[in-house]
Amino acid sequence: NAGVTQTPKFQVLKTGQSMTLQCAQDMNHEYMSWYRQDPGMGLRLIHYSVGAGITDQGEVPNGYNVSRSTTEDFPLRLLSAAPSQTSVYFCASSRGTGTARNTIYFGEGSWLTVV
Amino acid sequence: AQSVTQLDSQVPVFEEAPVELRCNYSSSVSVYLFWYVQYPNQGLQLLLKYLSGSTLVKGINGFEAEFNKSQTSFHLRKPSVHISDTAEYFCAVIGGGTGANNLFFGTGTRLTVIP
Repeated sequence: NAGVTQTPKFQVLKTGQSMTLQCAQDMNHEYMSWYRQDPGMGLRLIHYSVGAGITDQGEVPNGYNVSRSTTEDFPLRLLSAAPSQTSVYFCASSRGTGTARNTIYFGEGSWLTVV
Repeated sequence: AQSVTQLDSQVPVFEEAPVELRCNYSSSVSVYLFWYVQYPNQGLQLLLKYLSGSTLVKGINGFEAEFNKSQTSFHLRKPSVHISDTAEYFCAVIGGGTGANNLFFGTGTRLTVIP
């Protein structure tokens, strides 16, 4: 059981380049989300999804795009990378939505540097 | 809207001493409260959570937290810390109304256990 898998783990981008951070879960979870972690700011929600075909914005969605074509995958796209997007990105998933009773599982993070 | 405030950004403590990490929340609706731990270069691991019922919640690794509605607090405690407890600790809340399991995190407390 792999849980929540994020790739790549490390990436360096040049300003203006685009890339996709991959997130996959093998637990058949309805809910998936992306967070970014910055020093002194904790984790902030970028986008989330409550099921295939359904996505919505979180606190800091600008500069990011998501889609949810399957239950398993929830990729995060950076359309034109900026230095302000240098961060650690975490994907999370859980069974069900609208209830806090189900454990939320986190991936191990993707370290992104934009130069 | 819901939010959490972690009052201490860094807490140094000697090995085998007790520790308390403070967290206050604000929410206009029912809250579900969590403590997560992040070891260096790793993802987040759930320590414990409060959903309802008993206000004293016991978690993994000997940690516990007490939900105090009148003081809007959810402080994390451990009676005797170990070197291996050195990590960053995040308090988080899920607020009602979004229909999703979106966590809102505090800015984190770095616990350093001194031998």
